[in-house]
Amino acid sequence: ETAVFQTPNYHVTQVGNEVSFNCKQTLGHDTMYWYKQDSKKLLKIMFSYNNKQLIVNETVPRRFSPQSSDKAHLNLRIKSVEPEDSAVYLCASSSGLGKNTLYFGAGTRLSVL
Amino acid sequence: GEQVEQRPPHLSVREGDSAIIICTYTDSATAYFSWYKQEAGAGLQLLMSVLSNVDRKEEQGLTVLLNKKDKRLSLNLTAAHPGDSAVYFCAVSESSGSWQLIFGSGTQLTVMP
Repeated sequence: ETAVFQTPNYHVTQVGNEVSFNCKQTLGHDTMYWYKQDSKKLLKIMFSYNNKQLIVNETVPRRFSPQSSDKAHLNLRIKSVEPEDSAVYLCASSSGLGKNTLYFGAGTRLSVL
Repeated sequence: GEQVEQRPPHLSVREGDSAIIICTYTDSATAYFSWYKQEAGAGLQLLMSVLSNVDRKEEQGLTVLLNKKDKRLSLNLTAAHPGDSAVYFCAVSESSGSWQLIFGSGTQLTVMP
């Protein structure tokens, strides 16, 4: 049963536009993540957010920024999209960092024209 | 930092056959090991996880083996069926409570009737 909800499912936009993806979890978890999955299915961690502490993968371009209103929500904003941002963006949550199970949303597929 | 290699990238088996997926990792401090399944158009779902003090774990037709000496983790699906067709990922993290799981590159498993 789905407990991590992502919207939208798909988004098509043009280079230079700003986009924002939403993620909500109903599991009561205190940690949320954003992953990028490319066309070859490779997964790359972008951010984690735990107890108002943001941890950023240093390879993530500055045009990406997470936004959290509370521990159940972690949105992702891309300020000015580029063609290489086309991917599936997966949101996940867990109860703490490290060894805990990740629960994933179904993803948002972004296509940049 | 930790590096994880997963093979094979693609695996086709007949229904009823076994399927074996292998991951190797580099960091001997790695203490948490897991396998995830991603069905088409969905997020990842945890199959099984083990800590470093476990060599073998079996659940519902799945066997996870951990060889710490060779830094090798394997997933064996015994008697695969078409519903097992999906992309499978290994994921590991360090014992220090690292904030991120390191995922393998994925194996696309196809089970033919």
